[in-house]
Amino acid sequence: DVVMTQSPLSLPVILGQPASISCRSSQSLVHSDGNTYLSWFQQRPGQSPRRLIYMISDRDSGVPDRFSGSGSGTDFTLKISRVEAEDVGVYYCMQGTHTMYTFGQGTKLEIK
Amino acid sequence: QVQLVQSGAEVKKPGASVKVSCKASGYTFTDYFIHWVRQAPGQTPEWMGWINPNNGGKYYAQEFQGRVTMTTDTSIDTAYMELNRLRSDDTAVYYCARDAHRTGDYWGQGTLVTVSS
Repeated sequence: DVVMTQSPLSLPVILGQPASISCRSSQSLVHSDGNTYLSWFQQRPGQSPRRLIYMISDRDSGVPDRFSGSGSGTDFTLKISRVEAEDVGVYYCMQGTHTMYTFGQGTKLEIK
Repeated sequence: QVQLVQSGAEVKKPGASVKVSCKASGYTFTDYFIHWVRQAPGQTPEWMGWINPNNGGKYYAQEFQGRVTMTTDTSIDTAYMELNRLRSDDTAVYYCARDAHRTGDYWGQGTLVTVSS
């Protein structure tokens, strides 16, 4: 199975400051169809995961433009340009390229 | 609007089975795969597999093969996930999610399954 490794696991951020989460995969996430199926989720306490980004950098409808995704191959990043209080939660990357879909271990974002 | 509404919480004894339902609305049910994902308390989500409501095609994660059955009833736009031979480490919130770009774009509210003697 493809192992997804996130860092950091804990991310204290001052309101209004930027934040960045790294996600590395143990194998390339480039699919045979040429696409890269790497997505990012936000999970607030007690809620279902909410998808923010798919295919590395495509933002879902309704997701604020302060969230952005980038990367290629095995190395990906989620950036929040200016953290707001509502961004508190756990963030997961997930790969859907390989037959067995796998998630990263999660990054807990908190306000410092 | 797209919605996935799941069945309520369950408490089961070890060795029993559980069947969770996921009713879809707001889109054409047969146009999108359904994924099932579970999340043990305080843990990262774990993908269990998918099913294609259009033709019943499915794929199960290796860890669950032999114990899980995913089905759909297209007459009522509902997907089901049945897990057999339950163990205490199957205690988790089980989610269904609609597939878009090989990931879940809309998720159900989750169903807590507790396995305890």
